[in-house]
Amino acid sequence: KQEVTQIPAALSVPEGENLVLNCSFTDSAIYNLQWFRQDPGKGLTSLLLIQSSQREQTSGRLNASLDKSSGRSTLYIAASQPGDSATYLCAVGDSYNTDKLIFGTGTRLQVFP
Amino acid sequence: EPEVTQTPSHQVTQMGQEVILRCVPISNHLYFYWYRQILGQKVEFLVSFYNNEISEKSEIFDDQFSVERPDGSNFTLKIRSTKLEDSAMYFCASSGRQDSGYTFGSGTRLTVV
Repeated sequence: KQEVTQIPAALSVPEGENLVLNCSFTDSAIYNLQWFRQDPGKGLTSLLLIQSSQREQTSGRLNASLDKSSGRSTLYIAASQPGDSATYLCAVGDSYNTDKLIFGTGTRLQVFP
Repeated sequence: EPEVTQTPSHQVTQMGQEVILRCVPISNHLYFYWYRQILGQKVEFLVSFYNNEISEKSEIFDDQFSVERPDGSNFTLKIRSTKLEDSAMYFCASSGRQDSGYTFGSGTRLTVV
């Protein structure tokens, strides 16, 4: 059964720092991996989607990498800003026989001025 | 940018009552989903829907739950007899293809009292 874990659970950094959020999954037979942002009490905003054949995706200050063989993905945020404060969720497309997403526990990020 | 729209944003219901949560997926999307997030817990898959039928459902999605696409635009989740433990944020999502990533709605917060 696929398990997705994210570390750290919470992170507090000063504005301007570069930071890395980690996601690990137990079964490497994934279809794709998606990073989401969730603001308190709100929905999920898709940030980046990495297909299983890809190694990384970039969007603005965000870069996500995928290493399927080791069951890991990282989300790199460059030059963090207070507006980046949110919970970041990693979700894997479980396998080629299903289209459901398995979510991680999330990393709660606070960027202070 | 196209959005997934969910209504209502918050619903309070008495235990044992039926509720219907509504979603308008992105118009050219073919795959539809419901997920839920109990406060403080992971986002969990409930059901996926394609070609007017359920393609997959989780153990959570028992006989109390049903989904329907009554017309070309709406996608609904019905809970027949709500329990206290059904209190959660319910998210609708849609995707154009299985490998194209999800777009989530902003959620309906269901409170069962």
